[in-house]
Amino acid sequence: GAGVSQTPSNKVTEKGKYVELRCDPISGHTALYWYRQSLGQGPEFLIYFQGTGAADDSGLPNDRFFAVRPEGSVSTLKIQRTERGDSAVYLCASSSGSQGTEAFFGQGTRLTVV
Amino acid sequence: EDQVTQSPEALRLQEGESSSLNCSYTVSGLRGLFWYRQDPGKGPEFLFTLYSAGEEKEKERLKATLTKKESFLHITAPKPEDSATYLCAAARGSTLGRLYFGRGTQLTVWP
Repeated sequence: GAGVSQTPSNKVTEKGKYVELRCDPISGHTALYWYRQSLGQGPEFLIYFQGTGAADDSGLPNDRFFAVRPEGSVSTLKIQRTERGDSAVYLCASSSGSQGTEAFFGQGTRLTVV
Repeated sequence: EDQVTQSPEALRLQEGESSSLNCSYTVSGLRGLFWYRQDPGKGPEFLFTLYSAGEEKEKERLKATLTKKESFLHITAPKPEDSATYLCAAARGSTLGRLYFGRGTQLTVWP
């Protein structure tokens, strides 16, 4: 596609529920990133994929968060037992290589846990 | 601790009034310094990458510069459409693609 696509654009869920957020990167981009952005803050790193493997998952806050990229393209961020503190905008980005090449961001998924 | 700090938090300029945004970083082994623009409800939009001290890049009314400790985004004769939040981010040599973001500077340009 022309850009990074994220679905859904908005998600409201009840505390304790499971959610999945999807990211379609730019075609051909091997690197994919997930970030989380709270109001008034800069994006906070969650996880980085190079191909199908998670090269760096040190930003995942706890074991309720998990992400996959089984075929090296689309990625899904999964959050179990959601908490109100998980409410934020979840951003996905992709780039053509590793460090030093610019990352292009999607519009984000706004997650609200009520 | 790796850190990126942006100042000011907010800046209001009259149209045509030039100014600069600051990004200071304490990131070991800097691999690249990135500037993004973010409009409300949108994802960050890539503007520039700077790789080494002394490097400068320009795009329309924006010019980004880099020293060993900080980067500046200079805005010359801004227009209302330049109003946005400007984010600075740094990439380290040892952590591959991870970007360390600052909190951003919210720029408002009024006519």
